[in-house]
Amino acid sequence: DVKVTQSSRYLVKRTGEKVFLECVQDMDHENMFWYRQDPGLGLRLIYFSYDVKMKEKGDIPEGYSVSREKKERFSLILESASTNQTSMYLCASHGGDSASYEQYFGPGTRLTVT
Amino acid sequence: SQQGEEDPQALSIQEGENATMNCSYKTSINNLQWYRQNSGRGLVHLILIRSNEREKHSGRLRVTLDTSKKSSSLLITASRAADTASYFCATAIYNFNKFYFGSGTKLNVKP
Repeated sequence: DVKVTQSSRYLVKRTGEKVFLECVQDMDHENMFWYRQDPGLGLRLIYFSYDVKMKEKGDIPEGYSVSREKKERFSLILESASTNQTSMYLCASHGGDSASYEQYFGPGTRLTVT
Repeated sequence: SQQGEEDPQALSIQEGENATMNCSYKTSINNLQWYRQNSGRGLVHLILIRSNEREKHSGRLRVTLDTSKKSSSLLITASRAADTASYFCATAIYNFNKFYFGSGTKLNVKP
């Protein structure tokens, strides 16, 4: 079974703190994604990576950065957390095989910034 | 934006009834996928339909795609209480590295 794991299910941080959210997948997928999910807004793409050290901005990259030093790990960094970054963060991966674009999701991290 | 839009936003039915959810999108797609999310959890892939397909079945799920209308529907037959969840459509355009999700349909199946 494909497994995507996220470092924390729940996280509470203070405004201004630097926050690291980690995501690991065990299927040797090239592509990894970070989304945030807010009520009424669905999932919005923050950043994605199609290879080690490669990244592209999604629709809402402001206030975030990412790191992909190893193929299996994709980190989302909040440089200086703000209350409007309180959200559910979802990591996903897919292998980019033309026969299947299915994304595999982690369980999510619910981040609260106070 | 390419984002898909689901309709209705919420749906409440009795166990055993069928549930139909719709998704509309704006630009040409490579494929369209449906996902389920149980409360507070990650998304689980249900079914994928390619732009050259019109209908697809998987168990109690039936998906249709009308590219001329830029719309898709997900039908869950003989619903169960365990089907209670949010359902999202996601579209993949020809740059397959990006997916666009709608805001979801919240389905409640009453026992």
